[in-house]
Amino acid sequence: TQLLEQSPQFLSIQEGENLTVYCNSSSVFSSLQWYRQEPGEGPVLLVTVVTGGEVKKLKRLTFQFGDARKDSSLHITAAQPGDTGLYLCAGRSGGSRLTFGEGTQLTVNP
Amino acid sequence: EAGVTQFPSHSVIEKGQTVTLRCDPISGHDNLYWYRRVMGKEIKFLLHFVKESKQDESGMPNNRFLAERTGGTYSTLKVQPAELEDSGVYFCASSQLSGGKQETQYFGPGTRLLVL
Repeated sequence: TQLLEQSPQFLSIQEGENLTVYCNSSSVFSSLQWYRQEPGEGPVLLVTVVTGGEVKKLKRLTFQFGDARKDSSLHITAAQPGDTGLYLCAGRSGGSRLTFGEGTQLTVNP
Repeated sequence: EAGVTQFPSHSVIEKGQTVTLRCDPISGHDNLYWYRRVMGKEIKFLLHFVKESKQDESGMPNNRFLAERTGGTYSTLKVQPAELEDSGVYFCASSQLSGGKQETQYFGPGTRLLVL
């Protein structure tokens, strides 16, 4: 059974601070996705990384896929209250099913 | 374009009763997925339809769960009889491309099921 361990589980920071969320596994994934989920809604895809060592940027968000394709990180620069939400990583290793991490609940206080 | 819709948004039933969840995927999406998140756990895969065929049902927890997608459009997930541990949020997702690294699954808002 493939597992994705996501950390931290909860994160509360002040506006303007930087943060990093980690997603780790002992398994290799062909691709890794990051989602954001708001209360009462389903996960919404932010980015997909497919190549070991790949780095993608989405405004103040930076996503990295580990060289061995077993881990990934999400870094947010100068967090804003609008960044508050549940961030989920999900991996795919052949086939279509996604394996999710437990999520990181981020709260950015003004 | 309408997104993935799910009905009902919430359901509260007693142990032993039957509940049927419905998912309407994005029009034209052949792939339909069911996932579930139980309290304190990660979202877990249940099964995958390609059109009306079950491509992968390895995540279905037991035979109390029955998923159908007659006609390859909307899908239903029936739980009969419901048990306490079935409580959680059931998500449906759909996509156009299956299995590709860049496949994007679009998720519905989920059905929150509480079994008492």
